[in-house]
Amino acid sequence: SAVISQKPSRDICQRGTSLTIQCQVDSQVTMMFWYRQQPGQSLTLIATANQGSEATYESGFVIDKFPISRPNLTFSTLTVSNMSPEDSSIYLCSVVGGITDTQYFGPGTRLTVL
Amino acid sequence: GNSVTQMEGPVTLSEEAFLTINCTYTATGYPSLFWYVQYPGEGLQLLLKATKADDKGSNKGFEATYRKETTSFHLEKGSVQVSDSAVYFCAPTPGAGSYQLTFGKGTKLSVIP
Repeated sequence: SAVISQKPSRDICQRGTSLTIQCQVDSQVTMMFWYRQQPGQSLTLIATANQGSEATYESGFVIDKFPISRPNLTFSTLTVSNMSPEDSSIYLCSVVGGITDTQYFGPGTRLTVL
Repeated sequence: GNSVTQMEGPVTLSEEAFLTINCTYTATGYPSLFWYVQYPGEGLQLLLKATKADDKGSNKGFEATYRKETTSFHLEKGSVQVSDSAVYFCAPTPGAGSYQLTFGKGTKLSVIP
């Protein structure tokens, strides 16, 4: 399975600011996804990060709030913009690579917004 | 689209007890089925998977069988340990080449000595 790292692992941010989360994979992968896990909740898919084109967002998530980049097959970023306390969550990236349909997850970024 | 119904928690068991966490799903295609585990303070790890009917996924003493006739993928372990304390998520894909997972609500398991 791919080795996935995320930066930062955690952060505490002020209301109204933005945070960019990085996801790096040690090998080229087919698909990359971003999820949100609110406290005590399950995972919700934010978007599919598409290499070289705009991300595909799920219902309830918009590009202005969660801009995503994926410049190549091993790297993606998610920005949480104009943050509010409701954005306090764990943000996880996941990847699918090769011939498998299995998703592997990064360690997550724990975000607290004050 | 997919939906998944997972047994509500929390579940508290004594060490060496038998564990079952029920999971049923709806899917229009032929989904792949996954169980993920989240240990306290950590990210998600793949526990096991099954990709077609009657397949049995297994790992770390856990097992789950892909039951197409009942659209179920129940997780079982014969003898749980304290180290199994975690949150368990059932997640199918839609199949037909789509990789998007739909996660159940998660079942928190606590194993006491």
